[in-house]
Amino acid sequence: DSGVTQTPKHLITATGQRVTLRCSPRSGDLSVYWYQQSLDQGLQFLIQYYNGEERAKGNILERFSAQQFPDLHSELNLSSLELGDSALYFCASSVSVQQGRDTQYFGPGTRLTVL
Amino acid sequence: GIQVEQSPPDLILQEGANSTLRCNFSDSVNNLQWFHQNPWGQLINLFYIPSGTKQNGRLSATTVATERYSLLYISSSQTTDSGVYFCAVEFLGSSNTGKLIFGQGTTLQVKP
Repeated sequence: DSGVTQTPKHLITATGQRVTLRCSPRSGDLSVYWYQQSLDQGLQFLIQYYNGEERAKGNILERFSAQQFPDLHSELNLSSLELGDSALYFCASSVSVQQGRDTQYFGPGTRLTVL
Repeated sequence: GIQVEQSPPDLILQEGANSTLRCNFSDSVNNLQWFHQNPWGQLINLFYIPSGTKQNGRLSATTVATERYSLLYISSSQTTDSGVYFCAVEFLGSSNTGKLIFGQGTTLQVKP
């Protein structure tokens, strides 16, 4: 158990819908990362937050957004869902990001299926 | 461009055999991690190893940063070692964001 929790574990929805994925980082970790794992793209970085502020963006679609709350949990919002958004979404956390040298611990993931 | 390449893509072993997985990266790194993704999809940290050598039980890893590669050694493999092994790096030029770039993985199958 990495200490990072994600809910829900599975999500099945229809095209055009909106969903919210939730992540609670390990106790004491200030930095949260979101990654997407799909069959065709592999594991890709989406976005990162550090202590409530957006720190870096990767290949995140405009239909997707995220935020980190004062209690440090994070949510990833996916809207206008398409079939191609079906993937495993991981959240990871680390203590800090200032030196970029902290181990990232991954949650169990949320498996999203868009029908 | 920035790349992380893993080899071999697939590996089939008999239980008890040893193996070496390789990760080549195209530029200097701040961070390098090895992960095991089990059949249930969970990503498990194996090593944080931007340089040097570490060992944890039957697993060990070596990163030679100056030559831009890392090796993961699995000795006396067990069926529970099956899954996909990923190498992920944070490149030096990523402004200390912690953004990890993943390789495509090595799929390992250990047969009893």
